[in-house]
Amino acid sequence: DAGVIQSPRHEVTEMGQEVTLRCKPISGHNSLFWYRQTMMRGLELLIYFNNNVPIDDSGMPEDRFSAKMPNASFSTLKIQPSEPRDSAVYFCASSLGGPTGEQFFGPGTRLTVL
Amino acid sequence: DAKTTQPPSMDCAEGRAANLPCNHSTISGNEYVYWYRQIHSQGPQYIIHGLKNNETNEMASLIITEDRKSSTLILPHATLRDTAVYYCIVRVANRDDKIIFGKGTRLHILP
Repeated sequence: DAGVIQSPRHEVTEMGQEVTLRCKPISGHNSLFWYRQTMMRGLELLIYFNNNVPIDDSGMPEDRFSAKMPNASFSTLKIQPSEPRDSAVYFCASSLGGPTGEQFFGPGTRLTVL
Repeated sequence: DAKTTQPPSMDCAEGRAANLPCNHSTISGNEYVYWYRQIHSQGPQYIIHGLKNNETNEMASLIITEDRKSSTLILPHATLRDTAVYYCIVRVANRDDKIIFGKGTRLHILP
């Protein structure tokens, strides 16, 4: 199994541009999570899906952020328009649920907004 | 979910046991103790979890006090590759739910 796949691994863009981050969860997992990590705020949950349905988006910072999961094997996190304060590492994780509820994290996307 | 308290950083000599403490005095009866770690520039990685009995797997051991208000993660023979931030989390198991990460403990393994 390839694990959780995220793309791109690095993204540099200019303020005001649209940014789309992509995630492919582990096959068979029914929950998907988007996190953001910065030095100041640590690791924060932005949104999570269960069976492709958004369950909790209370961590999404503002309307500039949106996330979709059109099917069980793909999710996107979009920022439009991007701002320098959005610079962070964005992680996607997936989970099968079950007794451990273990989440498997992807390698992350390092976003820099100039 | 209950909150946890961990020391911000710890050192441990290579080859020795690393003992990472965690306080979770407000833990509920149905909440498990989970440990994750994050090696530099990587995503967090699950280590172990437990409810009230001590647990051991290929990575670590988890010792939970009888009153469940604190626990200790033990890495029996620490190596340089164990240098990471270790997060102690309490949450209800078997639930597709969010993990609230605190600041964790930054463990330095010294050669």
